[in-house]
Amino acid sequence: AQSVTQLDSHVSVSEGTPVLLRCNYSSSYSPSLFWYVQHPNKGLQLLLKYTSAATLVKGINGFEAEFKKSETSFHLTKPSAHMSDAAEYFCVVSASYNTDKLIFGTGTRLQVFP
Amino acid sequence: EPEVTQTPSHQVTQMGQEVILRCVPISNHLYFYWYRQILGQKVEFLVSFYNNEISEKSEIFDDQFSVERPDGSNFTLKIRSTKLEDSAMYFCASSEGLSGNTIYFGEGSWLTVV
Repeated sequence: AQSVTQLDSHVSVSEGTPVLLRCNYSSSYSPSLFWYVQHPNKGLQLLLKYTSAATLVKGINGFEAEFKKSETSFHLTKPSAHMSDAAEYFCVVSASYNTDKLIFGTGTRLQVFP
Repeated sequence: EPEVTQTPSHQVTQMGQEVILRCVPISNHLYFYWYRQILGQKVEFLVSFYNNEISEKSEIFDDQFSVERPDGSNFTLKIRSTKLEDSAMYFCASSEGLSGNTIYFGEGSWLTVV
């Protein structure tokens, strides 16, 4: 069965410093992987997605993620954090190649300090 | 940008009462979903809906739950007799198709059962 593991429940960074949110996946097939963000009192917004094209995926707001099959990882990065990046981030995998069901990780709360 | 809209944003109901959560998916989308997030827990898949019928449902989606697309624009989730453990954020979502198509989420409906 497909699953994702978000390695950090909380990450704190200073504004202007790099962000790294870690995600490992387990999948019996070539997965579709996503990162969603949830700002306080807001819905889930898609940051980026990987669907077996380029392994380095660029998303909105300067975020990107690299699919590494050898490490079964899909870490989310941003070169320079902004205060507005403070939110909950979810790594998500599609449950199967022929389904639209998504399996969410437990989330990583990103805090950004001035 | 088109978006998924949900009403109500927050509802408080007494245990045993029926609740209907409403959603307006993005207009050209064909696949509709409900997910929920109990406070402090993962976002969980409940049900997917395509071509006026349920295409997939989770173990959570028991006989107390039902979904309906009563007209060309609304998609509803009904909980017949609410329990305390139904308290959660319920997310509606929609997509154009399967296999890695982006799933767009609404802002959620907070349901509190007292």
